[in-house]
Amino acid sequence: GAGVSQSPRYKVAKRGQDVALRCDPISGHVSLFWYQQALGQGPEFLTYFQNEAQLDKSGLPSDRFFAERPEGSVSTLKIQRTQQEDSAVYLCASSLYDGGGFSYEQYFGPGTRLTVT
Amino acid sequence: ELKVEQNPLFLSMQEGKNYTIYCNYSTTSDRLYWYRQDPGKSLESLFVLLSNGAVKQEGRLMASLDTKARLSTLHITAAVHDLSATYFCAVWNFGNEKLTFGTGTRLTIIP
Repeated sequence: GAGVSQSPRYKVAKRGQDVALRCDPISGHVSLFWYQQALGQGPEFLTYFQNEAQLDKSGLPSDRFFAERPEGSVSTLKIQRTQQEDSAVYLCASSLYDGGGFSYEQYFGPGTRLTVT
Repeated sequence: ELKVEQNPLFLSMQEGKNYTIYCNYSTTSDRLYWYRQDPGKSLESLFVLLSNGAVKQEGRLMASLDTKARLSTLHITAAVHDLSATYFCAVWNFGNEKLTFGTGTRLTIIP
């Protein structure tokens, strides 16, 4: 079946531009996560949705970062006034986890590589 | 705050040799994941370890979890070239559901 998809796969933005990154989770997956992976580093948590509710946004690095999942399926990560330090791969993951305490596997998308020039 | 450390960070090994990657974490958790990442690619799930003493094997890779020691290992047996990749461990955070990843181990298998 279809996995997690992300678009665009590559994005080049000039410093100061706004960008929007899209994530299509696996159908039926309740939870959706965004991670940021800098070059040569492990992914770092940004934010977490359960259905349309954003339950944790503690990893968003600044108020220039905003995420939404209005209908509980597709999610968009928006970065306003991009800076060079925002250059990274942005990974989306989804899982069946519904808050019931059982740990379900997270399935990762291919990522969007953002380069800010 | 949960911290996850892997070692070594870089590992070059000859084909046919055995080696172990270590993953230590700082607070209680009994859910640990191992992922593989090839250059320019996303994360591929290798193992999910759900309890103390869990051991899982797939081909030349074997993962184990010791929740008392807060330690997981990924053992590579008789390495082959196509195992060259970066390997990450990740620990599940109860309460906020996020994964905290280690720094990764870049493994290069030399013929």
